[in-house]
Amino acid sequence: QSALTQPASVSGSPGQSITISCTGTSSDVGHYNYVSWHQQYPGKAPKLIIYGVNNRPSGVSDRFSGSKSGNTASLTISGLQADDEADYFCSSYTTTYIYIFGPGTKVTVL
Amino acid sequence: QVELLQWGAGRLKPSETLSLTCAVYDGSFKNYYWSWIRQPPGKGLEWIGESHHSGRTIYNPSFTSRVIISVDTSKSEISLELTSVTAADTAMYFCARGNDFSWGHWGQGTLVTVSS
Repeated sequence: QSALTQPASVSGSPGQSITISCTGTSSDVGHYNYVSWHQQYPGKAPKLIIYGVNNRPSGVSDRFSGSKSGNTASLTISGLQADDEADYFCSSYTTTYIYIFGPGTKVTVL
Repeated sequence: QVELLQWGAGRLKPSETLSLTCAVYDGSFKNYYWSWIRQPPGKGLEWIGESHHSGRTIYNPSFTSRVIISVDTSKSEISLELTSVTAADTAMYFCARGNDFSWGHWGQGTLVTVSS
């Protein structure tokens, strides 16, 4: 099972919106609504920010939103803030009962 | 407040066995799947496998021949054993609680370095 595809980096100015894509196949992203997104700061454990494509855990800012179309899921961060600068990983459940991740996207706030 | 606390040997030689343990503090151990996920330095995340107190365990095929994930319900602990390690197994290893096909709670991570 191949990894998901994400852009290596995305940048934006404070207050802007950015979108990170996560592309899989019909055996993972396209098959299930089980895409999640994690935010990770250097040296820290990942933090869940989106699960089930577009659900936010309690306590996560509503500036984070998720969506999916076909085999591609997306994470949008609106009203970009300095502390949004981090790595973002997508993951998906697959038809072979395993989980796969994307390589991560580094978000830079200009 | 759910807390996952993990520990284990941080330095191994090639061919040795990696052994990590993760203790869960919150009392709802039986309701969830428990995963191990690793991250090589500067790289992305890789799911190793998961286990449930019922005994159902699933492994990433990349590890099947040399991994064992087990749960001890009496201690609320999850363990990872990875045999015949090589330098490619050098990574930060995390335990995580699975729910809704995602992981809302993570251990602090254990850096394991494999070097001769």
